[in-house]
Amino acid sequence: GQQLNQSPQSMFIQEGEDVSMNCTSSSIFNTWLWYKQDPGEGPVLLIALYKAGELTSNGRLTAQFGITRKDSFLNISASIPSDVGIYFCAGTHNNDMRFGAGTRLTVKP
Amino acid sequence: EAQVTQNPRYLITVTGKKLTVTCSQNMNHEYMSWYRQDPGLGLRQIYYSMNVEVTDKGDVPEGYKVSRKEKRNFPLILESPSPNQTSLYFCASSLIGGGETQYFGPGTRLLVL
Repeated sequence: GQQLNQSPQSMFIQEGEDVSMNCTSSSIFNTWLWYKQDPGEGPVLLIALYKAGELTSNGRLTAQFGITRKDSFLNISASIPSDVGIYFCAGTHNNDMRFGAGTRLTVKP
Repeated sequence: EAQVTQNPRYLITVTGKKLTVTCSQNMNHEYMSWYRQDPGLGLRQIYYSMNVEVTDKGDVPEGYKVSRKEKRNFPLILESPSPNQTSLYFCASSLIGGGETQYFGPGTRLLVL
Protein backbone atom coordinates (compact mmCIF):
# COMPACT_ATOMS: atom_id res chain seq x y z
CA GLY A 1 0.00 0.00 0.00
CA GLN A 2 1.05 3.56 -0.53
CA GLN A 3 2.81 5.36 2.26
CA LEU A 4 2.74 9.09 2.71
CA ASN A 5 5.50 11.29 1.27
CA GLN A 6 7.03 13.12 4.19
CA SER A 7 9.72 15.78 3.86
CA PRO A 8 12.32 16.64 4.73
CA GLN A 9 13.87 13.37 5.83
CA SER A 10 16.08 15.13 8.34
CA MET A 11 16.73 18.62 9.65
CA PHE A 12 19.61 20.14 11.59
CA ILE A 13 18.66 23.45 13.13
CA GLN A 14 19.86 25.88 15.74
CA GLU A 15 17.95 26.27 18.98
CA GLY A 16 15.39 29.05 18.62
CA GLU A 17 14.77 28.49 14.91
CA ASP A 18 11.38 27.60 13.48
CA VAL A 19 10.82 24.24 11.79
CA SER A 20 8.43 23.20 9.07
CA MET A 21 7.73 19.72 7.72
CA ASN A 22 4.98 18.35 5.51
CA CYS A 23 3.28 15.27 4.19
CA THR A 24 1.62 14.69 0.86
CA SER A 25 -0.32 11.87 -0.70
CA SER A 26 -2.06 11.05 -3.96
CA SER A 27 -5.02 9.76 -1.93
CA ILE A 28 -7.39 11.71 0.28
CA PHE A 29 -7.56 11.15 4.00
CA ASN A 30 -10.27 11.82 6.57
CA THR A 31 -7.86 12.49 9.39
CA TRP A 32 -4.29 13.72 9.64
CA LEU A 33 -2.20 13.04 12.71
CA TRP A 34 1.26 14.14 13.78
CA TYR A 35 3.32 11.99 16.16
CA LYS A 36 6.71 12.40 17.80
CA GLN A 37 8.95 9.46 18.65
CA ASP A 38 11.76 9.71 21.18
CA PRO A 39 14.58 7.13 21.12
CA GLY A 40 13.52 3.77 22.55
CA GLU A 41 9.87 4.73 22.85
CA GLY A 42 6.66 4.49 20.89
CA PRO A 43 5.20 7.42 18.96
CA VAL A 44 3.22 9.94 20.98
CA LEU A 45 0.41 11.96 19.44
CA LEU A 46 1.08 15.69 19.09
CA ILE A 47 -1.83 17.00 17.05
CA ALA A 48 -4.91 15.47 15.41
CA LEU A 49 -6.74 17.13 12.51
CA TYR A 50 -10.23 16.04 11.53
CA LYS A 51 -11.47 18.58 9.00
CA ALA A 52 -10.12 19.87 5.69
CA GLY A 53 -8.65 23.34 6.17
CA GLU A 54 -8.40 22.92 9.94
CA LEU A 55 -5.52 24.73 11.61
CA THR A 56 -4.71 23.54 15.12
CA SER A 57 -2.09 24.58 17.66
CA ASN A 58 -0.59 22.79 20.63
CA GLY A 59 1.83 25.11 22.40
CA ARG A 60 4.64 25.87 19.98
CA LEU A 61 3.29 23.37 17.46
CA THR A 62 0.87 24.25 14.68
CA ALA A 63 -0.51 21.85 12.10
CA GLN A 64 -2.91 22.19 9.20
CA PHE A 65 -5.13 19.77 7.31
CA GLY A 66 -4.85 20.66 3.62
CA ILE A 67 -7.93 21.77 1.73
CA THR A 68 -7.50 19.01 -0.84
CA ARG A 69 -7.31 16.44 2.03
CA LYS A 70 -4.11 15.16 0.45
CA ASP A 71 -1.57 17.01 2.54
CA SER A 72 -0.70 18.40 5.94
CA PHE A 73 2.09 20.41 7.49
CA LEU A 74 3.54 20.76 10.97
CA ASN A 75 5.36 23.85 12.20
CA ILE A 76 7.41 24.11 15.38
CA SER A 77 8.25 27.61 16.52
CA ALA A 78 11.25 28.64 18.60
CA SER A 79 12.74 25.14 18.77
CA ILE A 80 14.34 23.88 21.97
CA PRO A 81 16.71 20.93 22.57
CA SER A 82 13.92 18.62 23.76
CA ASP A 83 12.24 18.93 20.35
CA VAL A 84 14.84 16.44 19.11
CA GLY A 85 13.27 13.25 17.80
CA ILE A 86 11.53 11.74 14.82
CA TYR A 87 8.25 13.27 13.71
CA PHE A 88 5.73 11.19 11.81
CA CYS A 89 2.67 12.21 9.91
CA ALA A 90 -0.20 9.75 9.60
CA GLY A 91 -3.36 9.79 7.55
CA THR A 92 -6.45 7.70 7.99
CA HIS A 93 -9.23 6.82 5.59
CA ASN A 94 -11.94 4.62 7.01
CA ASN A 95 -9.98 2.01 8.95
CA ASP A 96 -6.82 2.34 6.89
CA MET A 97 -3.95 4.22 8.54
CA ARG A 98 -0.74 5.17 6.70
CA PHE A 99 2.42 6.75 8.03
CA GLY A 100 5.11 8.92 6.53
CA ALA A 101 8.72 7.76 6.75
CA GLY A 102 9.47 10.40 9.39
CA THR A 103 11.48 13.59 9.74
CA ARG A 104 14.47 13.31 12.05
CA LEU A 105 14.99 16.62 13.85
CA THR A 106 18.28 17.60 15.46
CA VAL A 107 18.46 20.83 17.46
CA LYS A 108 21.85 22.31 18.20
CA PRO A 109 22.06 24.36 21.41
CA GLU B 1 -2.27 4.45 34.51
CA ALA B 2 -3.71 4.15 31.01
CA GLN B 3 -1.22 2.33 28.85
CA VAL B 4 -0.38 -0.17 26.17
CA THR B 5 2.13 -2.80 27.22
CA GLN B 6 4.19 -5.14 25.08
CA ASN B 7 6.30 -8.14 25.97
CA PRO B 8 9.05 -8.88 25.48
CA ARG B 9 10.76 -5.56 24.80
CA TYR B 10 13.75 -7.26 23.19
CA LEU B 11 14.00 -10.67 21.57
CA ILE B 12 16.70 -12.54 19.70
CA THR B 13 15.62 -15.75 18.03
CA VAL B 14 16.56 -18.08 15.19
CA THR B 15 14.89 -18.70 11.86
CA GLY B 16 11.85 -20.94 12.10
CA LYS B 17 11.34 -20.84 15.85
CA LYS B 18 7.77 -19.79 16.56
CA LEU B 19 7.35 -16.75 18.76
CA THR B 20 4.59 -14.58 20.19
CA VAL B 21 4.73 -10.92 21.14
CA THR B 22 2.00 -9.96 23.55
CA CYS B 23 0.12 -6.69 23.62
CA SER B 24 -2.30 -5.56 26.26
CA GLN B 25 -4.22 -2.33 26.84
CA ASN B 26 -6.16 -1.24 29.91
CA MET B 27 -8.24 1.51 28.32
CA ASN B 28 -11.16 -0.64 27.12
CA HIS B 29 -10.29 0.28 23.54
CA GLU B 30 -12.07 -1.55 20.76
CA TYR B 31 -9.43 -0.98 18.08
CA MET B 32 -5.95 -2.51 18.25
CA SER B 33 -3.22 -2.67 15.68
CA TRP B 34 0.32 -3.94 15.03
CA TYR B 35 3.00 -2.04 13.12
CA ARG B 36 6.57 -2.69 12.16
CA GLN B 37 9.06 0.11 11.89
CA ASP B 38 12.06 -0.11 9.58
CA PRO B 39 14.63 2.58 8.76
CA GLY B 40 13.49 4.84 5.95
CA LEU B 41 10.07 3.17 5.75
CA GLY B 42 8.32 4.59 8.78
CA LEU B 43 5.54 2.54 10.34
CA ARG B 44 3.71 -0.06 8.31
CA GLN B 45 0.57 -1.71 9.52
CA ILE B 46 0.65 -5.50 9.84
CA TYR B 47 -2.80 -6.37 11.16
CA TYR B 48 -5.58 -4.56 12.94
CA SER B 49 -8.64 -5.50 14.91
CA MET B 50 -11.85 -3.52 15.13
CA ASN B 51 -13.16 -5.57 18.05
CA VAL B 52 -13.08 -8.99 19.66
CA GLU B 53 -12.89 -11.78 17.08
CA VAL B 54 -12.58 -9.25 14.24
CA THR B 55 -9.17 -8.96 12.58
CA ASP B 56 -8.05 -7.63 9.19
CA LYS B 57 -4.85 -7.50 7.20
CA GLY B 58 -2.90 -4.29 7.04
CA ASP B 59 -0.17 -3.36 4.59
CA VAL B 60 2.34 -6.10 5.35
CA PRO B 61 0.57 -9.15 6.85
CA GLU B 62 2.68 -11.89 5.24
CA GLY B 63 4.41 -14.11 7.79
CA TYR B 64 2.30 -12.90 10.72
CA LYS B 65 -0.81 -14.01 12.53
CA VAL B 66 -2.92 -12.32 15.17
CA SER B 67 -5.84 -13.19 17.38
CA ARG B 68 -8.31 -11.13 19.39
CA LYS B 69 -10.05 -13.41 21.85
CA GLU B 70 -10.33 -10.72 24.52
CA LYS B 71 -10.77 -7.00 24.19
CA ARG B 72 -7.60 -6.10 26.06
CA ASN B 73 -5.15 -8.48 24.35
CA PHE B 74 -3.90 -8.63 20.78
CA PRO B 75 -0.90 -10.98 20.43
CA LEU B 76 1.28 -11.02 17.32
CA ILE B 77 2.41 -14.49 16.25
CA LEU B 78 5.32 -15.34 13.99
CA GLU B 79 4.86 -19.01 13.14
CA SER B 80 8.20 -19.36 11.34
CA PRO B 81 10.25 -16.20 11.71
CA SER B 82 12.71 -15.23 8.99
CA PRO B 83 15.56 -12.67 9.03
CA ASN B 84 13.49 -10.18 7.02
CA GLN B 85 11.17 -9.96 10.00
CA THR B 86 13.94 -8.39 12.05
CA SER B 87 12.38 -5.09 12.98
CA LEU B 88 10.93 -2.85 15.68
CA TYR B 89 7.31 -3.73 16.39
CA PHE B 90 4.68 -1.48 17.91
CA CYS B 91 1.25 -2.31 19.19
CA ALA B 92 -1.34 0.48 19.31
CA SER B 93 -4.92 0.90 20.46
CA SER B 94 -7.69 3.44 20.12
CA LEU B 95 -11.21 3.80 21.38
CA ILE B 96 -12.61 3.03 17.95
CA GLY B 97 -11.08 2.74 14.49
CA GLY B 98 -11.43 5.18 11.61
CA GLY B 99 -8.83 7.76 12.55
CA GLU B 100 -9.40 7.93 16.27
CA THR B 101 -6.22 8.79 18.15
CA GLN B 102 -4.00 5.75 18.62
CA TYR B 103 -1.88 5.13 21.70
CA PHE B 104 1.32 3.21 21.13
CA GLY B 105 3.14 0.67 23.24
CA PRO B 106 6.88 1.00 23.99
CA GLY B 107 7.95 -1.30 21.15
CA THR B 108 9.51 -4.74 20.79
CA ARG B 109 12.86 -5.02 19.06
CA LEU B 110 13.15 -8.39 17.31
CA LEU B 111 16.27 -9.88 15.79
CA VAL B 112 15.90 -13.07 13.76
CA LEU B 113 19.18 -14.84 13.05
